[in-house]
Amino acid sequence: GAVVSQHPSWVICKSGTSVKIECRSLDFQATTMFWYRQFPKQSLMLMATSNEGSKATYEQGVEKDKFLINHASLTLSTLTVTSAHPEDSSFYICSARRTSRSSGANVLTFGAGSRLTVL
Amino acid sequence: QKEVEQNSGPLSVPEGAIASLNCTYSDRGSQSFFWYRQYSGKSPELIMFIYSNGDKEDGRFTAQLNKASQYVSLLIRDSQPSDSATYLCAVRSNFGNEKLTFGTGTRLTIIP
Repeated sequence: GAVVSQHPSWVICKSGTSVKIECRSLDFQATTMFWYRQFPKQSLMLMATSNEGSKATYEQGVEKDKFLINHASLTLSTLTVTSAHPEDSSFYICSARRTSRSSGANVLTFGAGSRLTVL
Repeated sequence: QKEVEQNSGPLSVPEGAIASLNCTYSDRGSQSFFWYRQYSGKSPELIMFIYSNGDKEDGRFTAQLNKASQYVSLLIRDSQPSDSATYLCAVRSNFGNEKLTFGTGTRLTIIP
């Protein structure tokens, strides 16, 4: 089945440093990927839509200069949290759009998530 | 008013019984509805999706959609302890927009 690999699965960093999270679609091409953030006991909040070969589209309230997104190829999108602070500690999840072979519908496949802890 | 609302639970159901999870949404123009299962500390995995009014069955799972009432539900028959997880309802506004809006999820516990 379709697999989205996300790396690293967890990271601990000092305040002020930058952290890069990678999201790869392993067996399909993804022109569009999505980055979500989930705080404990809360739902997934969409941060931005990553489009291959073009600029990402950010949701209202998400700082594009703080959360840098690069979608350089059809199988890779990266999220860089710049100058991370403790309030950025969260579970970051990427997802990739694919076409379901059984139904033909567009569905999202999620990566395993990356838990960021900023000290 | 939240765009997608779910009862956070916890919802406790005896093993073998039917678990019923509910979700309401505010955007009447919503077209596609998804149910995801999320185990603690893991990312969501798709269970099923539904576009049309009525019921859609897949194994032990049945999704029910009522667009007039802006209501979608998920039934799990013959509940198993492995079904214990948080179930997220997600809504997509139109076919051309891939963004999903998620509810806060309902935590389901199946009691052996």
